[in-house]
Order: sequence, then C-alpha cells, then structure tokens
Amino acid sequence: DAGVIQSPRHEVTEMGQEVTLRCKPISGHNSLFWYRQTMMRGLELLIYFNNNVPIDDSGMPEDRFSAKMPNASFSTLKIQPSEPRDSAVYFCAGSESASGNTIYFGEGSWLTVV
Amino acid sequence: SQQGEEDPQALSIQEGENATMNCSYKTSINNLQWYRQNSGRGLVHLILIRSNEREKHSGRLRVTLDTSKKSSSLLITASRAADTASYFCATDGSGNTPLVFGKGTRLSVIA
Repeated sequence: DAGVIQSPRHEVTEMGQEVTLRCKPISGHNSLFWYRQTMMRGLELLIYFNNNVPIDDSGMPEDRFSAKMPNASFSTLKIQPSEPRDSAVYFCAGSESASGNTIYFGEGSWLTVV
Repeated sequence: SQQGEEDPQALSIQEGENATMNCSYKTSINNLQWYRQNSGRGLVHLILIRSNEREKHSGRLRVTLDTSKKSSSLLITASRAADTASYFCATDGSGNTPLVFGKGTRLSVIA
C-alpha cells in the first residue's frame, strides 16, 4: 500500500481564494482524521470520520472550514474563503478505528495564504 | 483536556548519548503512543503502551508508563544523528475517542 496520499503537497494562495485539500486513506482503514499543525498550537484535530460519517467536527475553527468523505477512499478539506491565519500544515491520517490503534499520517499539505 | 505535554520542548545531545523525553497527561487513558516527525514529513508511529503496562521496548527505544503520576517517558539509547526529529506523545481516553497529541520535543543529535 502506498500509505495515506495527500494533495497538493504545497499550495500558495491569495487571501479570499478557496482551498481544497485532498486525501486518499489506506484501504481498509475505517477512521479518517484531519489535523492542522502550527508552531503556536501544535497538532490540532479538526474533524474525524468513522465509516465515512463525520463524528466530531468540534475542532473545525470556523464555518469557513468544511470536510467531506463521499466514499471510503477519498476525503476533502475545504477552506472558503481562506485567510492568512489558515497558513499551516494540514495532515490527513487514518486508522482501523477511532481509538486504540496506530494512526497513519500522510505527508501533509503545506498551505500558505498570502 | 487530556492533551499530553512533552518535556523538554527541545533537547540537544551528542551522538552516542541517551535521550530521555517525558510526557504528562491529565485524564485517565486507555493507551499512550509515541510518534516521531522528521522535518517536513508526517508523523510516524513508534510504540504503543497500554494502561496496564509499565514498560515496553522496541530496538533502541524504551517507554515507561506511570498511570499514578499520569506520565510517560521515551528513552532513546545510543542516539544517532538520524534520530534528529520531533517526538510526540499521544493519548486516548475512555470511550471511542481519537488521539490527542502534545506539542512535541525537538531532539537534535549532533554528530
């Protein structure tokens, strides 16, 4: 398996533009997580899905953020409109279940909003 | 919050020395995990220790868990320059809750 695949790896966009980050999890992993990493706040859980269903989105910072998982092999995290404070590394990760198992991370999407 | 907190925030040692990183957490846990992150990469799982375990080994890694003190330590023996990375502890509490990560310890191993 190629592991968790994220795209784009790097994105620079202007404030106000829509940003869509994509994730392909490892086949057979029933839980999918979106994390955001910054120097100031560390690694924050934004949202997670179990069997494609969003379970907890309390970490999503604002209504500008939305996430979908239309099927077991694809998820998106969208920011609309983007702001400079959204600049961060966004990680998608997966696991066999939401708790008690190893989490496998993608390489991250490095977002810079100018 | 059950978020783990690593200590120290940064650690610099010479190659061949041992590196010890600590993690403290606030609430009861089912298990505690340690992850490593190389610069510019995603996190990689190192080791998991369950709440009923006190010590676990994996190669040059040794993890201890003291649930009475709500703390864990990660020891890397005979460190190498390639061990330079950030190390995170992560905990999950009772129920089907996902992992919560600390802010990590940045380890620099100088050759």
